Amino acid sequence: AQKITQTQPGMFVQEKEAVTLDCTYDTSDQSYGLFWYKQPSSGEMIFLIYQGSYDEQNATEGRYSLNFQKARKSANLVISASQLGDSAMYFCAMEGFGNEKLTFGTGTRLTIIP
Amino acid sequence: DSGVTQTPKHLITATGQRVTLRCSPRSGDLSVYWYQQSLDQGLQFLIQYYNGEERAKGNILERFSAQQFPDLHSELNLSSLELGDSALYFCASSVGQGAFTDTQYFGPGTRLTVL
Repeated sequence: AQKITQTQPGMFVQEKEAVTLDCTYDTSDQSYGLFWYKQPSSGEMIFLIYQGSYDEQNATEGRYSLNFQKARKSANLVISASQLGDSAMYFCAMEGFGNEKLTFGTGTRLTIIP
Repeated sequence: DSGVTQTPKHLITATGQRVTLRCSPRSGDLSVYWYQQSLDQGLQFLIQYYNGEERAKGNILERFSAQQFPDLHSELNLSSLELGDSALYFCASSVGQGAFTDTQYFGPGTRLTVL
């Protein structure tokens, strides 16, 4: 079984500051993928970034980077230079080898303060 | 815009009724997934189809069924609706069968309200 834990239900961050959203995972799979999605108040789920379990480099996509610490089973999302448009729910998810579904965490609601 | 389309955007119906949610995957994607997002259960995987065949099943109720058509669009049928079925239903698509390297791209969702 796979499990994703997001321990921060809500966060408030000043605009232009960097923010780290925590995600820990539990799996017995050796091969797996980790994903972050953003859900604005409008409701859609927007893919942000992917990290494979065998990737040695941390993934980066523009202002998003994933701080992957395999031994600690953590996959924290870092958003640099936060913007008002970053205010949203953020979900960490994983998919295991031969397990086609995404398992999601409970999400973190991020609010950017001007 | 992810390229995944879902219709309708909103659906309001009564208990005991049946509804059909429709999804068109991104061009070139062969897999379609259905997820349910509710306040008490969070995001739950329902079912996956790959190239017309059922590939994986999650927490899908027997009152719910789905299919994927030859043109790869998919429909999720919900019957004998109960108040607890009110939720946001997402369709997602990916290129392959669902390997852990496949990114799933989500549609805008269908918000179902059962009164």
